[in-house]
Amino acid sequence: GAVVSQHPSRVICKSGTSVKIECRSLDFQATTMFWYRQFPKQSLMLMATSNEGSKATYEQGVEKDKFLINHASLTLSTLTVTSAHPEDSSFYICSVRTGANYGYTFGSGTRLTVV
Amino acid sequence: GENVEQHPSTLSVQEGDSAVIKCTYSDSASNYFPWYKQELGKRPQLIIDIRSNVGEKKDQRIAVTLNKTAKHFSLHITETQPEDSAVYFCAASQRSSSASKIIFGSGTRLSIRP
Repeated sequence: GAVVSQHPSRVICKSGTSVKIECRSLDFQATTMFWYRQFPKQSLMLMATSNEGSKATYEQGVEKDKFLINHASLTLSTLTVTSAHPEDSSFYICSVRTGANYGYTFGSGTRLTVV
Repeated sequence: GENVEQHPSTLSVQEGDSAVIKCTYSDSASNYFPWYKQELGKRPQLIIDIRSNVGEKKDQRIAVTLNKTAKHFSLHITETQPEDSAVYFCAASQRSSSASKIIFGSGTRLSIRP
């Protein structure tokens, strides 16, 4: 199966600052990547679909100006949480669909804490 | 859009007994149904999946059944062991393209009692 690397694994930032999270598909060229957010003891909620070379598609209720997504290459998508607030503290995880036979592979996740 | 419901939210079973988790989906176009196991602080790991052209699939102690007419699918874990304790998520997706997003159920916290 594919290998998806996510960085950083943990980050603590101050309110009002921005944080960038990287998702790399190490052995698969991904035209599409997915970004999820998971609050404690809750499910994975899809935030947006990242499309290589074009704008991301955001789910209803997700602020596109706050969660900036860039998918500049077939192996890298980034999620930037802008002007972070404590309520943005969550587990952010990316996913790549690696073809019909492999399903979806998840990154290792990023634990964001905004203080 | 797709909506996936999952029950129960918590499940406690005696070691060695079976555990069953049930999910329903709303979009008849969904044709791929994976199950994920997530341990605390870690990424979801695929444990089994089923496609809509199959009614049942088994992999050792884990099995999944799918009823397309009723739009529900279930995970069955037999001979449960302590290492089966985790949160399990069902999901639904369409396999038609790489852009098809996957929608998760709300999760089931499974605890195995020794």
